[in-house]
Amino acid sequence: DAGVTQSPTHLIKTRGQHVTLRCSPISGHKSVSWYQQVLGQGPQFIFQYYEKEERGRGNFPDRFSARQFPNYSSELNVNALLLGDSALYLCASSSTPGQHYEQYFGPGTRLTVT
Amino acid sequence: AQRVTQPEKLLSVFKGAPVELKCNYSYSGSPELFWYVQYSRQRLQLLLRHISRESIKGFTADLNKGETSFHLKKPFAQEEDSAMYYCALISGGGADGLTFGKGTHLIIQP
Repeated sequence: DAGVTQSPTHLIKTRGQHVTLRCSPISGHKSVSWYQQVLGQGPQFIFQYYEKEERGRGNFPDRFSARQFPNYSSELNVNALLLGDSALYLCASSSTPGQHYEQYFGPGTRLTVT
Repeated sequence: AQRVTQPEKLLSVFKGAPVELKCNYSYSGSPELFWYVQYSRQRLQLLLRHISRESIKGFTADLNKGETSFHLKKPFAQEEDSAMYYCALISGGGADGLTFGKGTHLIIQP
């Protein structure tokens, strides 16, 4: 198993555009979480999905949305991009949600907004 | 609101010296605490969690609820320990995800 995979690796967008980031969890994992990591900071929680339902949401504006598909892969969408959205976006998967289950992280997608 | 504080942005020690990475947290309930590590050009990975009470790669961390701390320690640093270390907590069933500190960059000098 390649672990959690994310695509694309890097992305450059212009302010006001829309972006879609993709994540494939470890085989057998049903829960996916998204994090934003701005340079010099720790990752910040955006969303958690389990069985295609949103289970938790961090303090992010409505421009951020996500969904999970029947195969448990997930997309993170960001509308009306701002310069401040430039960051590394991390996806993490776990077998089930809940604080006792280890989250495995992907390599991230580096988004640059110009 | 829950918060994790790592006071040291950068910590440099010599090989063979003891290492202590500090982590303090604020949360009124009973969170679960973790240390994550990111080696150069690798993805973020779990190093250890307080409920396991185990030693990984010679590292240990004890949860001190009185001081709300979860410091990471190793008696003798090795060069391969150089990495970014993040302290994190999770609570409330996990729906709010992990809350991370800003991280400490540990450099082990030969």
